[in-house]
Amino acid sequence: KAGVTQTPRYLIKTRGQQVTLSCSPISGHRSVSWYQQTPGQGLQFLFEYFSETQRNKGNFPGRFSGRQFSNSRSEMNVSTLELGDSALYLCASSLGFGQPQHFGDGTRLSIL
Amino acid sequence: KNEVEQSPQNLTAQEGEFITINCSYSVGISALHWLQQHPGGGIVSLFMLSSGKKKHGRLIATINIQEKHSSLHITASHPRDSAVYICAATTGNQFYFGTGTSLTVIP
Repeated sequence: KAGVTQTPRYLIKTRGQQVTLSCSPISGHRSVSWYQQTPGQGLQFLFEYFSETQRNKGNFPGRFSGRQFSNSRSEMNVSTLELGDSALYLCASSLGFGQPQHFGDGTRLSIL
Repeated sequence: KNEVEQSPQNLTAQEGEFITINCSYSVGISALHWLQQHPGGGIVSLFMLSSGKKKHGRLIATINIQEKHSSLHITASHPRDSAVYICAATTGNQFYFGTGTSLTVIP
């Protein structure tokens, strides 16, 4: 069974740009969650999508958004990038929110 | 104050030692997760607990709901156990993470 796939693995952007990250979940998993990991703040929950609807959301500004498609694939978008958005962005899929999370390898985003 | 606190932050052990990592939380949880992150970033879910104790190989996780405390034990530690271990509490609609325990097991 294929695992969670995130693309791209690495991205370099400049301040003010926007970025879209992609996540393909494990087949059969309808819940996709996104997390941000930084050295200073550790892991933080961004949001969770289930059946194309955002069900849960962490404490992040509106510049962070996402969507989920009918095949459960999900995208995360960050607009007006700031230096502080440099982080490892992780996607995880599961059978439902709070269930064991299956993580992708992450996208490492660097903002110059 | 963080909703999830882990201790210790760093831990060095000799191969074969018994290891305990502690996690305390302040929120009402539906489940408590233990995660393992190896250098390079990949995260693996080790356990999900809502009560009692679970065992998988040399790893044991326990939770005391009344005391809002969980422990992860590693028996007969091995260098391949070297990783960051992260505790995460999930409520009905949020995930809260501890800052992680960096474990190094020396041969």
